[in-house]
Amino acid sequence: AQTVTQSQPEMSVQEAETVTLSCTYDTSESDYYLFWYKQPPSRQMILVIRQEAYKQQNATENRFSVNFQKAAKSFSLKISDSQLGDAAMYFCAYKRIQGAQKLVFGQGTRLTINP
Amino acid sequence: EAGVAQSPRYKIIEKRQSVAFWCNPISGHATLYWYQQILGQGPKLLIQFQNNGVVDDSQLPKDRFSAERLKGVDSTLKIQPAKLEDSAVYLCASSLRFGGVNTGELFFGEGSRLTVL
Repeated sequence: AQTVTQSQPEMSVQEAETVTLSCTYDTSESDYYLFWYKQPPSRQMILVIRQEAYKQQNATENRFSVNFQKAAKSFSLKISDSQLGDAAMYFCAYKRIQGAQKLVFGQGTRLTINP
Repeated sequence: EAGVAQSPRYKIIEKRQSVAFWCNPISGHATLYWYQQILGQGPKLLIQFQNNGVVDDSQLPKDRFSAERLKGVDSTLKIQPAKLEDSAVYLCASSLRFGGVNTGELFFGEGSRLTVL
């Protein structure tokens, strides 16, 4: 079974600084998706960034970028120029491409932005 | 485009009572998911529908939980009888088709928070 592990329950960063959230996963599949979702206090999950496993290039979305290391099964999220609105729970998630395609989540990292 | 709608947002019940949650996915989305999110944990899949059919319900406690998706659109998740450990946020999500169109992305509702006393 696929598992996703986030080893940092909480992180904090000064506004305008850079922070990196860690994620590792376990799978025997070669093709899959990896995601970072943000969950603000209102509880609605919002997609931050997505990575297809077959792509070697790391995904980037404005201030958000990932470091995808397929061999190491590592998928970290870097947030540059942190803003107060970035404060939320961040979940790393894995999804197979073939077969039943549920999203498997990690435990989450609570990110606090200090003004 | 309207997002995933869920109701009620909040529900408080006594243990052994029953409760039902409703979800209306994004129009045209064939795949619908119910997740349970216990405080401080990541969401856990309860059940996944593809149109009317169940794709995965391996982690659904079938002695007390049930779900249906009539006509491949709206879905209802029911708990009867509720236990204290069912206190959680129940998240509904949908995607365009099996796996999502080129993205795999799931779109989530705001969730229904259940407190069992």
